[in-house]
Amino acid sequence: NAGVTQTPKFQVLKTGQSMTLQCAQDMNHNSMYWYRQDPGMGLRLIYYSASEGTTDKGEVPNGYNVSRLNKREFSLRLESAAPSQTSVYFCASSYRVVQPQHFGDGTRLSIL
Amino acid sequence: GQQLNQSPQSMFIQEGEDVSMNCTSSSIFNTWLWYKQEPGEGPVLLIALYKAGELTSNGRLTAQFGITRKDSFLNISASIPSDVGIYFCAGQNEGGSEKLVFGKGTKLTVNP
Repeated sequence: NAGVTQTPKFQVLKTGQSMTLQCAQDMNHNSMYWYRQDPGMGLRLIYYSASEGTTDKGEVPNGYNVSRLNKREFSLRLESAAPSQTSVYFCASSYRVVQPQHFGDGTRLSIL
Repeated sequence: GQQLNQSPQSMFIQEGEDVSMNCTSSSIFNTWLWYKQEPGEGPVLLIALYKAGELTSNGRLTAQFGITRKDSFLNISASIPSDVGIYFCAGQNEGGSEKLVFGKGTKLTVNP
């Protein structure tokens, strides 16, 4: 049982390049989330999907887009990467509202 | 937006000592969660609290949901080197949306 799987684990981009981060969960969860983690800032929500077919903005959505491809998969896209988007990105999922979220191991993204 | 104040920011302790950390909020929460993150990994859920006044243990860890619903604490007894990591609190608000609010973390270092 893999839980939440994120790919890739590491990526280096040049400013202006585009990139899609992939996330898949095998726990039959309805809700999925994307966070970024920066030193001293904790976890900040970028976008989330309460259920298949819906997506909503979180705290820091600018510069990102998401797609809930199906119940298992939720991708995060950077259309034109900027150095300020250098961060560690975490995907999480939960069964439903008011249920604890389970996290993947993160994607470490550097933008030069 | 909502904020959680987590303290202390960091702790340096000797193996065998007890540890206490806490989170406070200006808003009422109906769920409190405590996560631990080790280097290179995603946060892992330690304890979930759903009722004001609830006291829950998980091995050497004990967490409480404050009576006012605006705070929570986590205690670790008889610390060991593998307790090293960053501990995050997270709260979910009265409205019950899927959005968790995270504290900025307490970094724990345990000296053998």
